[in-house]
Amino acid sequence: DTEVTQTPKHLVMGMTNKKSLKCEQHMGHRAMYWYKQKAKKPPELMFVYSYEKLSINESVPSRFSPECPNSSLLNLHLHALQPEDSALYLCASSQEGQGETEAFFGQGTRLTVV
Amino acid sequence: KNEVEQSPQNLTAQEGEFITINCSYSVGISALHWLQQHPGGGIVSLFMLSSGKKKHGRLIATINIQEKHSSLHITASHPRDSAVYICAAGGNGQNFVFGPGTRLSVLP
Repeated sequence: DTEVTQTPKHLVMGMTNKKSLKCEQHMGHRAMYWYKQKAKKPPELMFVYSYEKLSINESVPSRFSPECPNSSLLNLHLHALQPEDSALYLCASSQEGQGETEAFFGQGTRLTVV
Repeated sequence: KNEVEQSPQNLTAQEGEFITINCSYSVGISALHWLQQHPGGGIVSLFMLSSGKKKHGRLIATINIQEKHSSLHITASHPRDSAVYICAAGGNGQNFVFGPGTRLSVLP
């Protein structure tokens, strides 16, 4: 199994809603990532988890809250988002961090904030 | 800070043409990744290179560590190759640094 599975694929939420994005991998990878991608731009790193501990937070607003309940799961909790947060949110995993090993990406969650 | 550049930004080719996409980076790395992103959004890892050359089907990736340059070649291009191709530099204590992407359209 070389897949990174993200759910849901599409999400529309209001600015007062609370929702969560989910990411799952069963490759035994120890590094997991959240990226945000706006149209026609490359992905921007948001968070990195290494061995289930948050190792990098790229100055992401607190309305985005990551969680790594176990080595296979990564969540991104969303609360009080703004319309400009609408984007494709991508999860990725790799055996080791820091771009040293091949990364596997999910299909993304396309988020629209209304 | 590593900066990654790609050329061309946009490329239109006829089916069957040989295609080259270039990537250059400014700081030494331990791995260079080529990624493919289709309009649906998901990203597929095509190659991870630390030296030399790799081939997979009609795709060939090369890297010159001394010149900090990598190329992705597509032989006998096909409309299904239409996608955004992204190179990303990694390793040596930094996470992926993505290039801006090359948008490829292959016309039948």
